[in-house]
Amino acid sequence: NAGVTQTPKFQVLKTGQSMTLQCAQDMNHNSMYWYRQDPGMGLRLIYYSASEGTTDKGEVPNGYNVSRLNKREFSLRLESAAPSQTSVYFCASSEGPRDSNEQFFGPGTRLTVL
Amino acid sequence: AQSVAQPEDQVNVAEGNPLTVKCTYSVSGNPYLFWYVQYPNRGLQFLLKYITGDNLVKGSYGFEAEFNKSQTSFHLKKPSALVSDSALYFCAVRASSGGYNKLIFGAGTRLAVHP
Repeated sequence: NAGVTQTPKFQVLKTGQSMTLQCAQDMNHNSMYWYRQDPGMGLRLIYYSASEGTTDKGEVPNGYNVSRLNKREFSLRLESAAPSQTSVYFCASSEGPRDSNEQFFGPGTRLTVL
Repeated sequence: AQSVAQPEDQVNVAEGNPLTVKCTYSVSGNPYLFWYVQYPNRGLQFLLKYITGDNLVKGSYGFEAEFNKSQTSFHLKKPSALVSDSALYFCAVRASSGGYNKLIFGAGTRLAVHP
């Protein structure tokens, strides 16, 4: 099992450009999450999908959109990138939204917006 | 408001000595608490969790954590530190919001184990 995979690993964008971060999991998990990690701030939840067909805003959703393409895949889109979106982005998954199971994380995407 | 605090940005310890990484939380209801570790340029890896039961929880790589309800703490411990334990450690609490449970993370504590 590959677990949670993310593409790309690194990306540099100019202000105003758009891009989509891809995430896939092969653990048959129901719930998926997108976080951003900034120095000294831990991880902050951007969006999550409790189950296939549903998405909800997290703590910092402004400037982002998501798509739960199917049970395996959950993508994050930046429509018009801004320097404030320079960060490391992590995708995660868990068996379900209401259980006590841990989340499994991907390796991350390091995004720089110039 | 539900939150997690990790009061130390960095913890330094000599190899072979015991280590403690501190975490306190604020959450309504019964807390579900987690510890994760992040090695350089990697994603977070699950270490251990407290759901209910015994206040001392054992996890991966020889780590354990002690849940203290009166002090609202969930400190991570290891009896004998290894240089390979050097990493960034995150405490997290599960919080209920709108019927869905999400994790709230602390800011992280960098553990440096010196030979």
